Amino acid sequence: DAGVIQSPRHEVTEMGQEVTLRCKPISGHNSLFWYRQTMMRGLELLIYFNNNVPIDDSGMPEDRFSAKMPNASFSTLKIQPSEPRDSAVYFCASGTGVLALNQPQHFGDGTRLSIL
Amino acid sequence: ELKVEQNPLFLSMQEGKNYTIYCNYSTTSDRLYWYRQDPGKSLESLFVLLSNGAVKQEGRLMASLDTKARLSTLHITAAVHDLSATYFCAVSNEKLTFGTGTRLTIIP
Repeated sequence: DAGVIQSPRHEVTEMGQEVTLRCKPISGHNSLFWYRQTMMRGLELLIYFNNNVPIDDSGMPEDRFSAKMPNASFSTLKIQPSEPRDSAVYFCASGTGVLALNQPQHFGDGTRLSIL
Repeated sequence: ELKVEQNPLFLSMQEGKNYTIYCNYSTTSDRLYWYRQDPGKSLESLFVLLSNGAVKQEGRLMASLDTKARLSTLHITAAVHDLSATYFCAVSNEKLTFGTGTRLTIIP
């Protein structure tokens, strides 16, 4: 199994640009989660999907952030326009069931985003 | 709002010693997870604890859960350098909430 695949691994862009992060969950997993990790705030859940439907987006910081899951094998997290305070490592994770309650979530390698 | 606190935040310990990391949470939950993260890497699942009194062991690590005390512990026995990492607990309520992490450094 290839695991959760995220791209790009690193992204450096200028403030105001649109950023799109991509995630391919593990085949057969029906829950997908986007997290953001920073030194100041730790690991925060941004949004999660179950069966491609967004269940809780209360962690999305503001309207500049949006996430989609058009099918079971692909999700995107978009920031438009980007700001320096969006700099962080963004992780995608997948699991079985809502919140993967009895099984752990499996994390991708993350996208390290730097907004200049 | 669920709060998950870990202590200590930083821990340096010598090889061969034993120590315990604590994870306290603020609301009722019977599902708790422990993860390990190496610097610059992803999170790796260590343990899933699903009920009060659950205890799981893997090598030199042992995790336990007391849902009544809202407390989980991660015990390290005879630490070795390879265990140096950041350890996170996470609690499932309406969503998964992660603790602040404990950065563990094993000194030869």
